[in-house]
Amino acid sequence: GPKVLQIPSHQIIDMGQMVTLNCDPVSNHLYFYWYKQILGQQMEFLVNFYNGKVMEKSKLFKDQFSVERPDGSYFTLKIQPTALEDSAVYFCASSLAGQGAYEQYFGPGTRLTVL
Amino acid sequence: GDQVEQSPSALSLHEGTGSALRCNFTTTMRAVQWFQQNSRGSLINLFYLASGTKENGRLKSTFNSKESYSTLHIRDAQLEDSGTYFCAAGTSNTNKVVFGTGTRLQVLP
Repeated sequence: GPKVLQIPSHQIIDMGQMVTLNCDPVSNHLYFYWYKQILGQQMEFLVNFYNGKVMEKSKLFKDQFSVERPDGSYFTLKIQPTALEDSAVYFCASSLAGQGAYEQYFGPGTRLTVL
Repeated sequence: GDQVEQSPSALSLHEGTGSALRCNFTTTMRAVQWFQQNSRGSLINLFYLASGTKENGRLKSTFNSKESYSTLHIRDAQLEDSGTYFCAAGTSNTNKVVFGTGTRLQVLP
């Protein structure tokens, strides 16, 4: 089936540093998402992105978070500065369309450890 | 806010038996997906439904938008079915997708 790739698979950084998580979505998909999952817990929606804009974000999408997809390259999640509570697995997803009506495909996740 | 109530939270099945998982929605959802999260943490797409019932092998899923629930039936459970199962539903008027709290399934020999 369609594949979403995420780079890196694991990132360890010191608190206060900046980190960028990269997502290579399915090629013809137009909607992109980030989710956060703390080990063993629920998948939490962070943000949805379409046509160069954030369409919707949750309370977990703090001011330190930003997303972009410059020139159709990677869809990125940047955290600056990082905090201890940002340690989690971050999943990227993409779908052909939005409004909750189209199937999302998920990447394998990036495990972020903030020390 | 929008909520997805998933049950049971944990389930043990012996090989060859079956059971059902359920998600109840507190608002009108436009579509539902079911995923299996395996031991490596990867999310495997099981079903996407905008309505009705779909079947794939030993799995069957139903989405009733009017009555705001979805079910996932597993029959003839195998050891490799172990993992955490999530439903996720898209709200009608937003781009937000809400996940259920997950069902941790353990299949025993």
